[in-house]
Amino acid sequence: EVQLVESGGGLVQPGGSLRLSCAASGFTFGRYAMSWVRQAPGKGLEWVSGASGDGGSTFYADSVKGRLTISRDNSENTLYLQMNSLRADDTAVYYCAREYPVTTFDSWGQGTLVTVSS
Amino acid sequence: DIQMTQSPSSLSASVGDRVTITCRASQIISNHLHGYLNWYQQIPGKAPKLLIYDASKLQTGVPSRFSGSGSGTDFTLTISSLQPEDFATYYCQQSYGSPTFGPGTKVDLK
Repeated sequence: EVQLVESGGGLVQPGGSLRLSCAASGFTFGRYAMSWVRQAPGKGLEWVSGASGDGGSTFYADSVKGRLTISRDNSENTLYLQMNSLRADDTAVYYCAREYPVTTFDSWGQGTLVTVSS
Repeated sequence: DIQMTQSPSSLSASVGDRVTITCRASQIISNHLHGYLNWYQQIPGKAPKLLIYDASKLQTGVPSRFSGSGSGTDFTLTISSLQPEDFATYYCQQSYGSPTFGPGTKVDLK
């Protein structure tokens, strides 16, 4: 069974940093592209960033380019999202999602809440 | 970026009703082989769940009362006979370019 478990969310001040993790199990992690998708409170879904199976290609939404960095450790079956220069509008539940086929999100984690506030 | 719209934004229905949700893309997102359009269901407090991919293909384990159709810029999700567990918000998402989602359609009990 595919399992994706996010962690690392919490309360952070504007301008601060946070690193999210997504631990994957139940499938061959390195064979799949992975993404982060976020959902602000009471709002819709927004794709944030994606990484190819080997991590060699990464992609970002314009809204986060230059501030958020996606990476993965295939030996640890873990996806990361390094979040810097955080703003209030980054407040959201962040979901880790497996892509199959590419940019179709067939499995999702339970999400981790990031709150940016002073 | 490709913009996605959905209609209606919300609807009220009863168990057993046939429900149709429409999604429109700001540009063509299909070709003769693929419709790059996916549908997700989200129950409050839960993660989204993939229902339909490639415009009309039913994801494994999804009940057959869900179906998808469409091509070009216009796509439809149909629930043939609404069940109690189907009251949720439904999102379309294009996978033709950098992924974008529609704003969602909330289906609640009449």
